Amino acid sequence: EPEVTQTPSHQVTQMGQEVILRCVPISNHLYFYWYRQILGQKVEFLVSFYNNEISEKSEIFDDQFSVERPDGSNFTLKIRSTKLEDSAMYFCASKGQGTETQYFGPGTRLLVL
Amino acid sequence: AQSVTQLGSHVSVSEGALVLLRCNYSSSVPPYLFWYVQYPNQGLQLLLKYTSAATLVKGINGFEAEFKKSETSFHLTKPSAHMSDAAEYFCAVSDRGGSNYKLTFGKGTLLTVNP
Repeated sequence: EPEVTQTPSHQVTQMGQEVILRCVPISNHLYFYWYRQILGQKVEFLVSFYNNEISEKSEIFDDQFSVERPDGSNFTLKIRSTKLEDSAMYFCASKGQGTETQYFGPGTRLLVL
Repeated sequence: AQSVTQLGSHVSVSEGALVLLRCNYSSSVPPYLFWYVQYPNQGLQLLLKYTSAATLVKGINGFEAEFKKSETSFHLTKPSAHMSDAAEYFCAVSDRGGSNYKLTFGKGTLLTVNP
């Protein structure tokens, strides 16, 4: 069964450093998403991406964040200058055309020190 | 804006007992509704979804949920809990009329199953 994959599974970084979180969505999906879950809190929407552009972003998704689909398979989330409060689990999800269901990856746990 | 309320951040049941996890939504029109499960150190797995038609939806692992428009609810049930059901459960909604189907999640309910 096809699945969404994410790398790395864990990342530790120093405050102020740039990080790139990678996702490989399900191959025929067209809609891509990033969500985050701060420890003990609910899953929050960050951004959605369709047709090579951002279709919606939340208030959390400020200028420090960017997304890119550099090739036909990867979907990345970049945090330019990490803050302590960026520590969270980041989930990638993808969705096919004509369906409502998003499929989630296993997540990347980011720890900013 | 849509919102989701999950009553009870922690529910504890005995093995074999009924599981009832509550979810209420706030939306101007009935949205799409989902239940996801998160096992420890894993991602989110879709349990079931309501999109239209049948208001009683059956999902994986014996779970089901009933959409009640009058109560704006989508509670998750399972007749008999199993130890393997211990996990965190998230109710989520997405806008039926939207174009990108972003999900709005509840805060989650941690289910503990006691032997």
